[in-house]
Amino acid sequence: GQSLEQPSEVTAVEGAIVQINCTYQTSGFYGLSWYQQHDGGAPTFLSYNALDGLEETGRFSSFLSRSDSYGYLLLQELQMKDSASYFCAVPFGGNYGQNFVFGPGTRLSVLP
Amino acid sequence: SQTIHQWPATLVQPVGSPLSLECTVEGTSNPNLYWYRQAAGRGLQLLFYSVGIGQISSEVPQNLSASRPQDRQFILSSKKLLLSDSGFYLCAWKWGRGTGELFFGEGSRLTVL
Repeated sequence: GQSLEQPSEVTAVEGAIVQINCTYQTSGFYGLSWYQQHDGGAPTFLSYNALDGLEETGRFSSFLSRSDSYGYLLLQELQMKDSASYFCAVPFGGNYGQNFVFGPGTRLSVLP
Repeated sequence: SQTIHQWPATLVQPVGSPLSLECTVEGTSNPNLYWYRQAAGRGLQLLFYSVGIGQISSEVPQNLSASRPQDRQFILSSKKLLLSDSGFYLCAWKWGRGTGELFFGEGSRLTVL
């Protein structure tokens, strides 16, 4: 089966940098995704890594190491609006990873 | 552009009553469709997914069912709700052969009393 692990909570101050880790176990690997979810809202897509290395999108970066079954989401120049839950997810199954399993989520609290 | 809508946004139902949540996608064809459930403060649990009309895969055995009567319509149903069915239900879609990006609807918050 598929399983993912993330820290349950992370706290940081405005302007700081925070890293949210994700380790996974999956039969057949296509890539690692990250989603952000604010309280009461729906998850929104942040990034996807299919290959090893760092992908940068503005203040957010995502890293993948397939040999270590590990990835992380890096948030820089934290802002209050970054307070949310962050989920890693992996596609699996079928011929092209048509299904998704999500990690338990990491709740990020940004303090002033 | 593509959009996804699900409704109702909020509902309160008594135990034993039926349920129907509907989701539609616009602006794309033959999407993969998904129903997830999220308990308060928890992660997303995959309930059903569909790769085409009439093709439904169930991930968790329970008293819920799903149907896909049209290409861009996905319905979640129950004949008799349980207290444990309370939660935040999310419909999502992705490109048939796309990789890591799921697009979520606004969600339906169900409270079973």
